[in-house]
Parts: sequence; structure tokens; C-alpha cells
Amino acid sequence: EAQVTQNPRYLITVTGKKLTVTCSQNMNHEYMSWYRQDPGLGLRQIYYSMNVEVTDKGDVPEGYKVSRKEKRNFPLILESPSPNQTSLYFCASSRTGRHLEYEQYFGPGTRLTVT
Amino acid sequence: AQSVAQPEDQVNVAEGNPLTVKCTYSVSGNPYLFWYVQYPNRGLQFLLKYITGDNLVKGSYGFEAEFNKSQTSFHLKKPSALVSDSALYFCAVRDPEGNDYKLSFGAGTTVTVRA
Repeated sequence: EAQVTQNPRYLITVTGKKLTVTCSQNMNHEYMSWYRQDPGLGLRQIYYSMNVEVTDKGDVPEGYKVSRKEKRNFPLILESPSPNQTSLYFCASSRTGRHLEYEQYFGPGTRLTVT
Repeated sequence: AQSVAQPEDQVNVAEGNPLTVKCTYSVSGNPYLFWYVQYPNRGLQFLLKYITGDNLVKGSYGFEAEFNKSQTSFHLKKPSALVSDSALYFCAVRDPEGNDYKLSFGAGTTVTVRA
């Protein structure tokens, strides 16, 4: 089954304790992306990757890191989480095509609470 | 810069009535436009997209949307709403002539269909 998986689904942590949210896709997609969803703000893009070893900032990259060492995996790293990073996080993937015209497939989400 | 607006936070309709969810966009060139739906505690699912060609686009679950370049709009419509259409709907835009690969989402519109 074609899917995007994220782990963990729920995470409660404390300020400053480094954490990683994993994302994996089995569709051989080139493009992967991380979003955060906050009430009233919709989805905001954190980072995206066009392919292995190619990453770029989205609209809200501060406080986050990513890496793309393998095509299927795109982990999101919070090296020193703060309460304002409490949010619902989604990973997504898609084919790129010529101009990124393909739809994205989303993971089930990770609800992060930073106290 | 690209942006998208969903002017209504909530839309309430009776089952069997037409459903419209509004979306307007801003890009420098011709846009790529997408609609996604999010059911409670789920990730986003793709509904339909406009890339080029016919302004009326048909998608999943009986939804359609019309691209209107002069009004910079891409409203989502369904002729006869079902209770199961109750969900959170997101419009997204990408500027294929831009120099990045970002995707911008609206804040979302909550649709409630009453029996």
C-alpha cells in the first residue's frame, strides 16, 4: 500500500530536549516536505526536499532541521524544542514532474506538545 | 510571492443542498491550484487540482472546482452535500514560475453538513 508514515504519532516533551520525528514514504517520490498545522493559520511549510541531499527552507524553518540521506526518509529534528513549537506536524511526498505539478500524499500527523 | 486566502472559517449547509468553499489566490504568473480535505484525526487527502486546460476540474467524491483567472479564484463545489462531507478543507497554490518549490496553503474552511 502506498503510504507516508510518521513516528511517533503523539509526543509530549520538555523544553530543550532534542527530538526527531521520522517520516518515510514507499512511493519513490523525489519531493518531500514538512508542515505544521496551527488553528487559524492552516498549514505552513517548514522545509522541503527536492531529492537526496537537496533541502530548502519553507516559510517557517526557524528552530527546525532536516536531512535527506535516503530517498524514502525525511526526518524532522528539533534540537532545542520550545513551547511555541507545540503543533500538529505533517510530512508529505510527491513526484516532482517539471514544475511540481503533482499532488502530495500526507502522513497521518504527529501531535507534539512542548512543556 | 504566492499566497492563498479562504475567506470563510466555517460553512454550514443542509444535506442535499449545494456546497461551495471559496478560495482566492495571488501569484505572479499562472498558478497551480489544489484542494485537499482533512477528516478528523487524519492526514490531508487530495481532492482535485488545476494545472492547465479546462477551467472546470472534476475530482474525488463528486467535488469540482472552477478556475477563474480574472477573479483569481478557485472555488470548490459539490451539487448535493452529504453529512460525510463534513471536514476541514484546504486550498493550496504554487507558482510554477517562481524560483523555489514551496506550496502555500490557506487557513482552511470547516464544512459542517447537517442531516
